[in-house]
Amino acid sequence: AQSVTQPDIHITVSEGASLELRCNYSYGATPYLFWYVQSPGQGLQLLLKYFSGDTLVQGIKGFEAEFKRSQSSFNLRKPSVHWSDAAEYFCAVGSYDKIIFGKGTRLHILP
Amino acid sequence: EAEVAQSPRYKITEKSQAVAFWCDPISGHATLYWYRQILGQGLELLVQFQDESVVDDSQLPKDRFSAERLKGVDSTLKIQPAELGDSAMYLCASSGPGGWYEQYFGPGTRLTVT
Repeated sequence: AQSVTQPDIHITVSEGASLELRCNYSYGATPYLFWYVQSPGQGLQLLLKYFSGDTLVQGIKGFEAEFKRSQSSFNLRKPSVHWSDAAEYFCAVGSYDKIIFGKGTRLHILP
Repeated sequence: EAEVAQSPRYKITEKSQAVAFWCDPISGHATLYWYRQILGQGLELLVQFQDESVVDDSQLPKDRFSAERLKGVDSTLKIQPAELGDSAMYLCASSGPGGWYEQYFGPGTRLTVT
């Protein structure tokens, strides 16, 4: 069965610092992988997705993610965070028209 | 830019009362999803529609929850009677010609059951 694990419930970084959010997945074949962001009181917005090809994926808002098959990971990165990046981030895996979401990582930004 | 609309944004109800949520997907999107998001949890798919047909409601608590999409456009999710454990964010999403993996989410309805 497919599953997604986000090991960190909360992450705090200083504004301007780099960010890496961890995601591990369980899936038998090459999965479809996603990162979504949810700002307070809002729905989810797709940041980026990976289906195949180049394992480094660029997304919106300056985010990128790297697919590592050997580690079953799809970590999200940003070189320099802004206060507006404070939100909840969800990693997800999908196939056969279903998307399964992780429990999320809440990102806090220190001024 | 087209958006998924949901109403109400917030709802407070007493347990044992009935409550309903409405979702209007992006025009032309044939697939509509209702998710439940409990604080600290991921999103749980409650029901998936393809046009007016239910294609997956395996996680929908059918003794108290119902969902419909009569004309294959907008959709209503109902809870009757509401229980304390139903307090959550209810999110609607839709996908269309871009593929199932391009899900667009509405702002959600925050339900509090007292």
